[in-house]
Amino acid sequence: GENVEQHPSTLSVQEGDSAVIKCTYSDSASNYFPWYKQELGKRPQLIIDIRSNVGEKKDQRIAVTLNKTAKHFSLHITETQPEDSAVYFCAALAYSGAGSYQLTFGKGTKLSVIP
Amino acid sequence: GAVVSQHPSWVICKSGTSVKIECRSLDFQATTMFWYRQFPKQSLMLMATSNEGSKATYEQGVEKDKFLINHASLTLSTLTVTSAHPEDSSFYICSASGQLNSPLHFGNGTRLTVT
Repeated sequence: GENVEQHPSTLSVQEGDSAVIKCTYSDSASNYFPWYKQELGKRPQLIIDIRSNVGEKKDQRIAVTLNKTAKHFSLHITETQPEDSAVYFCAALAYSGAGSYQLTFGKGTKLSVIP
Repeated sequence: GAVVSQHPSWVICKSGTSVKIECRSLDFQATTMFWYRQFPKQSLMLMATSNEGSKATYEQGVEKDKFLINHASLTLSTLTVTSAHPEDSSFYICSASGQLNSPLHFGNGTRLTVT
C-alpha cells in the first residue's frame, strides 16, 4: 500500500518568513495530492491540492510543488502570519482496487509562527 | 460547497455501552466514505473505507466487530463503537467525496470519551 512520509514534524518560523513542508510517497500510481490544515480540535481543512499532471500550483501565499519522478511534493507558505500556526497534513490518493480509492496521510507538521 | 455533516460532535458514555456516529453528505452523493481516528497530537489514522451497498474495508489492526460500519445509502454512513472502553476515547472523523480524485470533505468530527 501507499506510504507517505512527512518532514519536519515540527517547524517554528518568525512571522514574515517562509515555511516549507516536504512529503514523499511510495505508490507511483498516486495521482492526487491534497494538503490539509488542522487547528486544534477542529476538522482538517483543505488548503491546496495538486494533481499528477501539474508540477506546481499557487494560491496567494501558498504553493505546492510536485516531482513525480522523485515521488515527492512540498508545501510552501510565504510571508507567514501567526494565524498560519496549525498542524499541516499532506496526503496521497491512490486507487485501491474494486472501484475504491484510498487517501493516505502523512504524520503531520506542527507549524508555529512566532510574532 | 460540499458539506459533510457528522453527529454527534461529542459524546460521553460508560464502558460497555455502544455509540453510533453518523456521517452525512448533505449536497452530494458519496459512494465512498472514510472513517478516521485521531489521537491527540497525532495524524489521522484511516480505520475503514465505507462503500455504499457493500461491506466496509477495514485497515489492519482495526476490529471490524468492534467498529461496525454501515453505508446504507449514498448520503449516509454510520460508525458504531460497540462495547466501548476507555481506550476507545478519541476523535473520530469521517470524510466523503463525490467523485474520484475530487477533494475530500470532512465532517466536524466526534469527540468520544468513555468513562
